Amino acid sequence: GAVVSQHPSWVICKSGTSVKIECRSLDFQATTMFWYRQFPKQSLMLMATSNEGSKATYEQGVEKDKFLINHASLTLSTLTVTSAHPEDSSFYICSASAGVNTEAFFGQGTRLTVV
Amino acid sequence: GDSVTQMEGPVTLSEEAFLTINCTYTATGYPSLFWYVQYPGEGLQLLLKATKADDKGSNKGFEATYRKETTSFHLEKGSVQVSDSAVYFCALRSSYGQNFVFGPGTRLSVLP
Repeated sequence: GAVVSQHPSWVICKSGTSVKIECRSLDFQATTMFWYRQFPKQSLMLMATSNEGSKATYEQGVEKDKFLINHASLTLSTLTVTSAHPEDSSFYICSASAGVNTEAFFGQGTRLTVV
Repeated sequence: GDSVTQMEGPVTLSEEAFLTINCTYTATGYPSLFWYVQYPGEGLQLLLKATKADDKGSNKGFEATYRKETTSFHLEKGSVQVSDSAVYFCALRSSYGQNFVFGPGTRLSVLP
């Protein structure tokens, strides 16, 4: 299957700093990328959907000024957690899809720990 | 709105046992259906998919058939292995929207 690379796989940062997570589709053009947050032993919570070249669509309750999403090209989307706090500690997962009604391919996830 | 329901488990089986994880959905139109698997500390991997009624998706011994009459997409495997221990997510993608809807996930543990 297609490959989506997410980096870093884990990061520890101090409270108040910002962290950027990258999501790249390596062998296909991703018209749509999705960002999820996953709490321990729970399902995925969709945070936002982004289409290349346009602003991300955030789910209700997700602060767009805190979770900045950029989808500048068909192969790269970034999620920046700004002014991170311990409650932002979580597992963040991106996925990418090449078109409508097709499958999504997932990155390996990023474990963020804010201390 | 669209939704996916699956048995939440955990499911514990002995090696070589038969596996069924039930999944039912609610959606308008004709969604595509997927099963994803997540191993500890990793992202999700596509296991199989079906895009229209009566399609059967299969991969690595796992199978699921798109049943529109019962709005179901149950996952089955005839003989599980210890390496199949993971969390399995049923998901749909509506033909009208672009987002995916995931079930809560089913944790499977296979004992030697």
